[in-house]
Amino acid sequence: GESVGLHLPTLSVQEGDNSIINCAYSNSASDYFIWYKQESGKGPQFIIDIRSNMDKRQGQRVTVLLNKTVKHLSLQIAATQPGDSAVYFCAEAFSGSARQLTFGSGTQLTVLP
Amino acid sequence: EAGVAQSPRYKIIEKRQSVAFWCNPISGHATLYWYQQILGQGPKLLIQFQNNGVVDDSQLPKDRFSAERLKGVDSTLKIQPAKLEDSAVYLCASSLYGGATNEKLFFGSGTQLSVL
Repeated sequence: GESVGLHLPTLSVQEGDNSIINCAYSNSASDYFIWYKQESGKGPQFIIDIRSNMDKRQGQRVTVLLNKTVKHLSLQIAATQPGDSAVYFCAEAFSGSARQLTFGSGTQLTVLP
Repeated sequence: EAGVAQSPRYKIIEKRQSVAFWCNPISGHATLYWYQQILGQGPKLLIQFQNNGVVDDSQLPKDRFSAERLKGVDSTLKIQPAKLEDSAVYLCASSLYGGATNEKLFFGSGTQLSVL
């Protein structure tokens, strides 16, 4: 079946550096994408989303890029902070599927002091 | 605003026993979701309710899992009998309407189930 996957299971970055987390999706019909952050012992927390009619969207310190040609999604975190250490999931949805989210397997981001 | 509440926080049972999880969504949210998150994986949708009706339960193992949302507010997820492979975190989420693709989901902290 269709699935969302991530390129790297773990990522370590120095505090203050920028982080880039990548995600590949396989359902070309997906038209909505979301990044979630999950800290240890907590549920996923919404970070930023993007619709398929956009290729870039910016939030506070985060930017999501969407490349529909190669079915690739990335999350960029500027000036990474210790509080950014968590598992990051991308998720996709297709508006014709009753708004069901399909999650990838996650990337563990570790911020080094 | 209070978030999605779940209990218990942890549960340890032996295989073939029964277990139930409870969820109280954000006040006013019409749609409630139960997800299963196995260690190292992303959450997988088990069942979605809109008010007290089931929207999608296609991935719910109905031979052992059941869920209800009788009054369109709180929900209970039950496993009977549990298997070793049911060990996971069970996440409850809610959203305001549940009909729009770009509607945000709010997750609870989950119940961590260990089946021995």
